[in-house]
Amino acid sequence: DTEVTQTPKHLVMGMTNKKSLKCEQHMGHRAMYWYKQKAKKPPELMFVYSYEKLSINESVPSRFSPECPNSSLLNLHLHALQPEDSALYLCASSQQPGALEQYFGPGTRLTVT
Amino acid sequence: KQEVTQIPAALSVPEGENLVLNCSFTDSAIYNLQWFRQDPGKGLTSLLLIQSSQREQTSGRLNASLDKSSGRSTLYIAASQPGDSATYLCAVSTSGGSNYKLTFGKGTLLTVNP
Repeated sequence: DTEVTQTPKHLVMGMTNKKSLKCEQHMGHRAMYWYKQKAKKPPELMFVYSYEKLSINESVPSRFSPECPNSSLLNLHLHALQPEDSALYLCASSQQPGALEQYFGPGTRLTVT
Repeated sequence: KQEVTQIPAALSVPEGENLVLNCSFTDSAIYNLQWFRQDPGKGLTSLLLIQSSQREQTSGRLNASLDKSSGRSTLYIAASQPGDSATYLCAVSTSGGSNYKLTFGKGTLLTVNP
């Protein structure tokens, strides 16, 4: 199994909703990442988890709350989002934190209404 | 702060042509450079990874080179095909203390016309 999976593929939520994005990998990777990508822009790093611990938070608003319950799973909990948070949310993993190849999932297309 | 620039922003070529995509970065203290492909609305597919100690990597019709000292990388695509049409992103890995992060360029939108 050499892939990163993400669910759901699409999500529409209102500004008062609470929802979660899920990412899973079974490659034994110990670093996992959340990126946000707006249309026609490159991905921007949001969070990095290293050995299930949060190691980088790129000054992301608290309405985004990451969670890494085990080495295979990464969640992104969403609450009280704004329409400008609509984007493609990408999850990635690498064997170890640092200078190694990152593998990306297909993304979740989020629309906030 | 690392900045990554990709030129051209868009490129349209006829099928069968060889082409070169360019990537430059401002901080030469990188750990690796990765080229990705992204189809519209999809995730990123890793094409090639070049470690900082390497000069080039090849995979099929793709060849990527790295000149770390000058802050440049190129992605060469031979005998282009319509299926190569996508956005190509260059990303460099740099250190921030004990952490590492990828910084992406804005990409080159490639269209290969049949």
